[in-house]
Amino acid sequence: AAGVIQSPRHLIKEKRETATLKCYPIPRHDTVYWYQQGPGQDPQFLISFYEKMQSDKGSIPDRFSAQQFSDYHSELNMSSLELGDSALYFCASSSLQAIGYEQYFGPGTRLTVT
Amino acid sequence: KQEVTQIPAALSVPEGENLVLNCSFTDSAIYNLQWFRQDPGKGLTSLLLIQSSQREQTSGRLNASLDKSSGRSTLYIAASQPGDSATYLCAVRPYSGAGSYQLTFGKGTKLSVIP
Repeated sequence: AAGVIQSPRHLIKEKRETATLKCYPIPRHDTVYWYQQGPGQDPQFLISFYEKMQSDKGSIPDRFSAQQFSDYHSELNMSSLELGDSALYFCASSSLQAIGYEQYFGPGTRLTVT
Repeated sequence: KQEVTQIPAALSVPEGENLVLNCSFTDSAIYNLQWFRQDPGKGLTSLLLIQSSQREQTSGRLNASLDKSSGRSTLYIAASQPGDSATYLCAVRPYSGAGSYQLTFGKGTKLSVIP
């Protein structure tokens, strides 16, 4: 079965640079979520999109922005990177047509800011 | 604000033992609860999802229960195997008609099954 795809899997950036993370949800899933997991921490919700519209917003810094495109893939753009942005970034998808709206997670993008 | 707590933070058991992982949450107004498994540096694998109207869910050697009124869930693993070694996280989704679908996670229980 198709899973959530994230690219790149690993990314190394320097402070003050910009990074773009991509997420391709499971086909026919209409909702995409972004989470950030710092070292030794639990995943923290950043933002979600339903049918290409922002549906919920968590603790996402103003330096970050995200959008969902017409093909349902999503991108998380991160500017003015800081050392504290080093984390594992997960994308998840779900279908509001499915019972329980179970969220399926991708393998994550490991971002290292040096 | 919803808070999710998992106890213990770490657990080491001999192979073959049955074990229980605990999860508690402060706001009982949840839509559902998911249990995940995470291997070191890897993604989250969904194990079980329990709807707020359900009491338990089973998948193979795993059984998850939910007591929404007391804000508790348990994950029971039968006949543990070394391959079960991982961090187990529980996460709750709030019950909200305003389109709030985010999951709030606990910090996880790191399980080590000793051969």
